Amino acid sequence: ELKVEQNPLFLSMQEGKNYTIYCNYSTTSDRLYWYRQDPGKSLESLFVLLSNGAVKQEGRLMASLDTKARLSTLHITAAVHDLSATYFCAVLANNDMRFGAGTRLTVKP
Amino acid sequence: SAVISQKPSRDICQRGTSLTIQCQVDSQVTMMFWYRQQPGQSLTLIATANQGSEATYESGFVIDKFPISRPNLTFSTLTVSNMSPEDSSIYLCSVVGTGLGLEAFFGQGTRLTVV
Repeated sequence: ELKVEQNPLFLSMQEGKNYTIYCNYSTTSDRLYWYRQDPGKSLESLFVLLSNGAVKQEGRLMASLDTKARLSTLHITAAVHDLSATYFCAVLANNDMRFGAGTRLTVKP
Repeated sequence: SAVISQKPSRDICQRGTSLTIQCQVDSQVTMMFWYRQQPGQSLTLIATANQGSEATYESGFVIDKFPISRPNLTFSTLTVSNMSPEDSSIYLCSVVGTGLGLEAFFGQGTRLTVV
């Protein structure tokens, strides 16, 4: 059974600092997704990663995928308050799509 | 891409009753999933809706409580049966398909409150 582990669950950052969110999964994946969710809102798609070594960047967020290690990272560079949200990874594998527990990010001035 | 119409968007139901949620997609899709998201939590997979056959349920979810239909490649329903306040949650359908590109698409969600 596909298992997706995400950490940390909570992350409090100072503005301007860098940090990384980790997403481990248990089986060979077809795709890996990163989403952002603001309170009371729908999921917002950030990245879709397909192949080993894939790296995608959008603004202060960069996602990477290591399929051999079954690990994806979401790196936050020079955090700003607007990045405060909950971030989820999700893995599609063997006709299953499961989500990590989410990382609740708070960026403080 | 895909456009998903999920209905109803919200409902308040009496305990012991049932609610059927519909998910209509504007194109044929291979994979369709139903999730539950409780307040402050992640999305939990309830089941994979299989076209023409019984849904594949995750541990902790059973067909008698959450019957699912998928009569064709564009439509599915999830019923929440014999509801209790613990079933209060947001329910979401999601689709993934080779013809849709790499993205997964989500319905708008059904916010269910059981009183």
